[in-house]
Amino acid sequence: GNSVTQMEGPVTLSEEAFLTINCTYTATGYPSLFWYVQYPGEGLQLLLKATKADDKGSNKGFEATYRKETTSFHLEKGSVQVSDSAVYFCALRDLNRDDKIIFGKGTRLHILP
Amino acid sequence: DSGVTQTPKHLITATGQRVTLRCSPRSGDLSVYWYQQSLDQGLQFLIQYYNGEERAKGNILERFSAQQFPDLHSELNLSSLELGDSALYFCASSVATDMNTEAFFGQGTRLTVV
Repeated sequence: GNSVTQMEGPVTLSEEAFLTINCTYTATGYPSLFWYVQYPGEGLQLLLKATKADDKGSNKGFEATYRKETTSFHLEKGSVQVSDSAVYFCALRDLNRDDKIIFGKGTRLHILP
Repeated sequence: DSGVTQTPKHLITATGQRVTLRCSPRSGDLSVYWYQQSLDQGLQFLIQYYNGEERAKGNILERFSAQQFPDLHSELNLSSLELGDSALYFCASSVATDMNTEAFFGQGTRLTVV
């Protein structure tokens, strides 16, 4: 079945450091891919998405490129801020299968001032 | 504000009891998803409804059930509660026929079983 694997956390970085959170997926069809962010005490919010191969999603300085050849959707940011501290979830949605939205286990990010 | 409303925000109950969690989707969204988030299990998909019908089932225990009503709100019923059911329960809604659109999440219901 479909699945999402993302790097385990927690990830601790200093402010202004470069961030990469790895995400790879397994899917039988051609899913859409998403990154969600969960700030402390809140629900999940969409951060960015990509709906087909080679698409790049971007928002708030974060970027991720849909790589079909490596089945990956890694999240990157050039210069992180303390306010980026949160849990990040990679997810996929594949209507060709059963429309479940499958999430990775989440990666907790701590940014130190 | 995502437009998805979940009630109650917090719930504390004893083992063996039954509770009902409620979700109102965004206006116009026909699809509702339920997820359970616990510290060690991440975000687990429980069940999905589309326009009143069950569409997909995940790791939902037999003690749990859900339904979606004609006005599209959904309820998740948890019975014979155990300590291990303590978790954050999220509802999300989406336009089911378009996989390029994201799901919008509510703020969650934090269930504590004591």
